[in-house]
Amino acid sequence: KAGVTQTPRYLIKTRGQQVTLSCSPISGHRSVSWYQQTPGQGLQFLFEYFSETQRNKGNFPGRFSGRQFSNSRSEMNVSTLELGDSALYLCASREGGPQGEQFFGPGTRLTVL
Amino acid sequence: QQQVKQSPQSLIVQKGGISIINCAYENTAFDYFPWYQQFPGKGPALLIAIRPDVSEKKEGRFTISFNKSAKQFSLHIMDSQPGDSATYFCAASMRNDYKLSFGAGTTVTVRA
Repeated sequence: KAGVTQTPRYLIKTRGQQVTLSCSPISGHRSVSWYQQTPGQGLQFLFEYFSETQRNKGNFPGRFSGRQFSNSRSEMNVSTLELGDSALYLCASREGGPQGEQFFGPGTRLTVL
Repeated sequence: QQQVKQSPQSLIVQKGGISIINCAYENTAFDYFPWYQQFPGKGPALLIAIRPDVSEKKEGRFTISFNKSAKQFSLHIMDSQPGDSATYFCAASMRNDYKLSFGAGTTVTVRA
């Protein structure tokens, strides 16, 4: 099976712009989670989707949003970008319940100038 | 705030040595404790995980020790190899919760 894929791998934006990141989970996985990874804050949970419904949300401002499509693919959107949004955004998919193994993609490296 | 505290931030070990990474938590509702390994340019990958009903779990050269009363758990990498050079994250989650709370990470360098 192919692993979790994320596109694009690298992105450069300027402050105030918005960005959309895409994640394709492993085939058959219906749960997709998003994490932000920065040197200062480490890995922080953004949100999790299952069957097109957001089941859990982390402590991020409303500028961060996401959605999941019927084929389990997911997108996350960040509006009005700030310098502090520069980070590696990781997507993870899982097949089973809440404590099933999560498989992470390689991430999208977002740089905000 | 960080719900899982991880130390040390980095460590260097000689090939064949033992690497030890420690994590501590406060939330007693946590009941699943995975460790992830991350190489540069890659996403984290699950290494080994433990639940609080056991005190130790071993998979190959990797061992988790769990101390429920102290709310601490640790990863031991035995016979460390240069290929083990990576960043290691401990994490925790609660039953029926889809969110993982991660430690800050430990960069392990194994010198040949």
